[in-house]
Amino acid sequence: DTAVSQTPKYLVTQMGNDKSIKCEQNLGHDTMYWYKQDSKKFLKIMFSYNNKELIINETVPNRFSPKSPDKAHLNLHINSLELGDSAVYFCASSQDAAGVSFAYEQYFGPGTRLTVT
Amino acid sequence: AQKVTQAQTEISVVEKEDVTLDCVYETRDTTYYLFWYKQPPSGELVFLIRRNSFDEQNEISGRYSWNFQKSTSSFNFTITASQVVDSAVYFCALGNNNAGNMLTFGGGTRLMVKP
Repeated sequence: DTAVSQTPKYLVTQMGNDKSIKCEQNLGHDTMYWYKQDSKKFLKIMFSYNNKELIINETVPNRFSPKSPDKAHLNLHINSLELGDSAVYFCASSQDAAGVSFAYEQYFGPGTRLTVT
Repeated sequence: AQKVTQAQTEISVVEKEDVTLDCVYETRDTTYYLFWYKQPPSGELVFLIRRNSFDEQNEISGRYSWNFQKSTSSFNFTITASQVVDSAVYFCALGNNNAGNMLTFGGGTRLMVKP
């Protein structure tokens, strides 16, 4: 069974479009995350979310918004796509023991390669 | 602000050589966590190890070992008797709960192990 899954694996779209990437975890974790990995392999946190709080990396444009229909899902919605949004996006999840999320490791999904043309 | 530096962008070794990947971090917090992740050519991110700031004991897991030194703010990773399957990008990461449960990653070190 896949612990953290993402769909689609590949997404090619044109500038200006709106798109979503779905993420699901079946680990029963409380906290989920979105990361962006650019062409130079640099990984950057975008969001951290549990059922209580959304933490946003201040550098993330407000065109990006996470949406969580339930505890097992954290989807990433992107409005008005730009060329610079091309990257691999990773979803991750971790347990949250009384607020000490880093007491546990983060499990990553397989990534979604987004190409904006 | 937190920062993780992996000064080695690429390392190339021949199979069976030992190799050490360096990681230096910066944080003002006294409680923090350090991680290493592996990203093979297939692209997924694989968890290798987690260390908290109160545990400076070095760890060995098979051919992998980690050296955590708070005095130099370093958390280095050594692969003994490297194998071709070790070829990957390795990331060091730092986290603490004051940063909103967010991990700060280093730039990664690409390790190429040649047969």
